[in-house]
Formats: sequence, structure tokens, C-alpha cells
Amino acid sequence: AQRVTQPEKLLSVFKGAPVELKCNYSYSGSPELFWYVQYSRQRLQLLLRHISRESIKGFTADLNKGETSFHLKKPFAQEEDSAMYYCALRRGVGQAGTALIFGKGTTLSVSS
Amino acid sequence: KAGVTQTPRYLIKTRGQQVTLSCSPISGHRSVSWYQQTPGQGLQFLFEYFSETQRNKGNFPGRFSGRQFSNSRSEMNVSTLELGDSALYLCASSLGLKETQYFGPGTRLLVL
Repeated sequence: AQRVTQPEKLLSVFKGAPVELKCNYSYSGSPELFWYVQYSRQRLQLLLRHISRESIKGFTADLNKGETSFHLKKPFAQEEDSAMYYCALRRGVGQAGTALIFGKGTTLSVSS
Repeated sequence: KAGVTQTPRYLIKTRGQQVTLSCSPISGHRSVSWYQQTPGQGLQFLFEYFSETQRNKGNFPGRFSGRQFSNSRSEMNVSTLELGDSALYLCASSLGLKETQYFGPGTRLLVL
């Protein structure tokens, strides 16, 4: 069965500190992995998609198929990064099924 | 472009009633997906529509149904409401299947 696990419900860091939000997945094929972010009182929005290999707002994420992980990282956290972060999985291109499978989310709190 | 819109934003119903939620996708998007978000279960996939056809369905009872119109707008219906149906219902649209999904603000349903 497909599953996404975000082991931390809450991650609190100080401004300027490095951030790593963990995401592990369970899927036997080649998945697509995403990070979505939800800022306070805003809608869920896409932050990163692993196939694009972009850096958005200083965040990066690398898909590690050996460890089945897709951790989100940022070298220097900013207060405006405080939000709820969701890791999501979807079966890859060419494979049946289009649903996003979400983790339970991690709340990132950045304080000064 | 205007984002995904959902109506109504808030809804209060009583057990046994039925409810219809509406979603208008981003202009040009032909795929609409629905998700249920609760504190206990997180974000769970309900179903996806493309070109007026249901393409994918999550693990929800038959009381949950939906449809898509020729203009890509979508509605979901929940019959015989139960207390456990209280949730935030999110709609997401994409250009096509396997494309990036853009989320609406959600409809918050409270069942009393």
C-alpha cells in the first residue's frame, strides 16, 4: 500500500537555523513526490515537485529512492516560513492512478 | 487567472440530511479532484473527474458521489450525513490527469 509518513507533527527552530522536514514513503514503483505548504488562512499550495528539481523560497528536496525519503531542507529559516507542510505522493507517469496521497503534515514554527 | 473557487465556504447540516458542494476550476483546467481533510485522518482523496468522467475513486462509502459538467465545474454530494462527515472538503484542479493540482480554499462542513 502507498503511504507517506511525516514523523514530526511540530518542528520549532530559530530564525537563521537550518531546517529539515522529514518525509518517508512506501511505494513499490517509481512515484512522483511533492511538498505542499499551507500558510495561515491561505489555501494549500504547491511548494516543490521532485521532477522539476527547483529551489523555491530557498527550499530544496531530493528524492532518495534507496531510503524512500523526500526530505525538505532550507539552510536558513525565516519567520515567514512558519506554516504547515505536507509531503505527498502520486503514482508516476505511465502508472494508473492520479490521486495524491498526503502525509499528516508538519507544522514549522520559526521564531526570532 | 482566477484560482479555484468553492461554494459555499461554510455549511452547517444535521445528521441524515444531504449536502452538495460546488467547485469551479481554474479556466482551462479539465481535471477536478476532491479531498476530505479532518484532524484525525488528514487529507484523504475522494475522487477525480476528467472530461465529465470519474477517473479515480478513493475509499469512501457510496454516500459520497460527484459529477463534472461540460464546463469542467464539479459538484460533490454527500447523502445521509453522519457526524463523522464534518470536515474541510478541498477541491483541486489541474490541466489534465497527472498535472500539478491547484487547490481551492475549501468548504467547511459541520454536521450536528
